[in-house]
Amino acid sequence: NAGVTQTPKFQVLKTGQSMTLQCAQDMNHNSMYWYRQDPGMGLRLIYYSASEGTTDKGEVPNGYNVSRLNKREFSLRLESAAPSQTSVYFCASSAFPGLSLSYEQYFGPGTRLTVT
Amino acid sequence: QKEVEQDPGPLSVPEGAIVSLNCTYSNSAFQYFMWYRQYSRKGPELLMYTYSSGNKEDGRFTAQVDKSSKYISLFIRDSQPSDSATYLCAMSAGRDDKIIFGKGTRLHILP
Repeated sequence: NAGVTQTPKFQVLKTGQSMTLQCAQDMNHNSMYWYRQDPGMGLRLIYYSASEGTTDKGEVPNGYNVSRLNKREFSLRLESAAPSQTSVYFCASSAFPGLSLSYEQYFGPGTRLTVT
Repeated sequence: QKEVEQDPGPLSVPEGAIVSLNCTYSNSAFQYFMWYRQYSRKGPELLMYTYSSGNKEDGRFTAQVDKSSKYISLFIRDSQPSDSATYLCAMSAGRDDKIIFGKGTRLHILP
């Protein structure tokens, strides 16, 4: 059971380059999320997906696109990277298992992106 | 006003003390309240989850939600140096709704 995996772990891009961050979970969770974390700013939601085939904008979606390829995978694409997108990116998945009021959510290890 | 407010700290307390961490929020629709712990250069991990108002206890951790005051708290009893981390509160209005985080409070437990 790998939980939530993210690739790559580190990336350096030049302004204007594009890249896709990959995320996969093996817990059969319906909901998946992309966050960015900057010093002093906490975690800010970029996009989320409540189920396969649906995506919604979060607090800071500009400059990003997402794709919920299937239940397991949720990718984040930067079409034209800008220095303001230098950040640590976290993917997460979550679910309310069963009929109880329990809740589980797991984060990936993060991708450290630098845009020069 | 941000939806979720959290004092960034840092908060330094001696080992063994009771720690109190707090968040306030403005959206009365929030029903689901979470606390996460994040060690340096790691992803956050879910510590506590509470639905609606009330208290929830798990070992040394107690989460409280006061919806009338729009105020949530996390208490850590018998604090240990290993509790030193950033603690983030988060909340959501519905099971499939977006989760909004506070900025996190840095906590240092002094041996």
